[in-house]
Amino acid sequence: QAGLTQLPSVSKGLRQTATLTCSGNNFNIDNQGVSWLQQRQGHPPKLLSYRNDNRPSGISERFSASRSGNTASLTITGLQPEDEADYYCATWDNSLRGWVFGGGTKLTVV
Amino acid sequence: QVQLQQWGAGLLKPSETLSLTCAVYGDSFAGYYWSWIRQPPGKGLEWIGESNYSGTTNYSPSLNSRVTISVDTSKNQFSLKLSSLTAADTAVYYCARGLASYGRRAGLDFWGQGTPVTVSS
Repeated sequence: QAGLTQLPSVSKGLRQTATLTCSGNNFNIDNQGVSWLQQRQGHPPKLLSYRNDNRPSGISERFSASRSGNTASLTITGLQPEDEADYYCATWDNSLRGWVFGGGTKLTVV
Repeated sequence: QVQLQQWGAGLLKPSETLSLTCAVYGDSFAGYYWSWIRQPPGKGLEWIGESNYSGTTNYSPSLNSRVTISVDTSKNQFSLKLSSLTAADTAVYYCARGLASYGRRAGLDFWGQGTPVTVSS
């Protein structure tokens, strides 16, 4: 299954800012937009943003997402211990007629 | 508040068929796409397939020959069947609701709690 490309891991300090990136192609991110999911250990994924830069109700303003062409970014400001999790980007791929996910970025807050 | 509650057998033998059901509470069943996603131990997310309210489906090309997703609109439920299981199908299986916005898929906004499935003889 063709997927999106994410860095496997990022480590940042408490109260710092982390920017996670996700790369796709013209059939998915550029055409359909991207969403971001947070998955804490032992829990189901949680939607952080959808359609590139929209935040669902109840998601902290510390999480902001954007997209430029085939690359999407998730920025987390004021890192807290509870932000330590795996972060996945996801998009609908029109050529595959299905959802594709990035491999996930493990964020460590030190 | 929307909730997805899923259930099904968690220990199966090779060649058997996995059967899971997901019930949707707190919102209309219509107007959304209903997906199944799985996550092998220690690995990332893999989309299995989806159905809309009227039963139109899309499946992952890699699983297409073994997957059936169906909906029961009278009960606000949708189900997954995955046949000819092997050890490679061992994973946590999630159901999820898919948003559509301006004719495009926007995100998977509500997820079930997950069902661990082990395939072993």
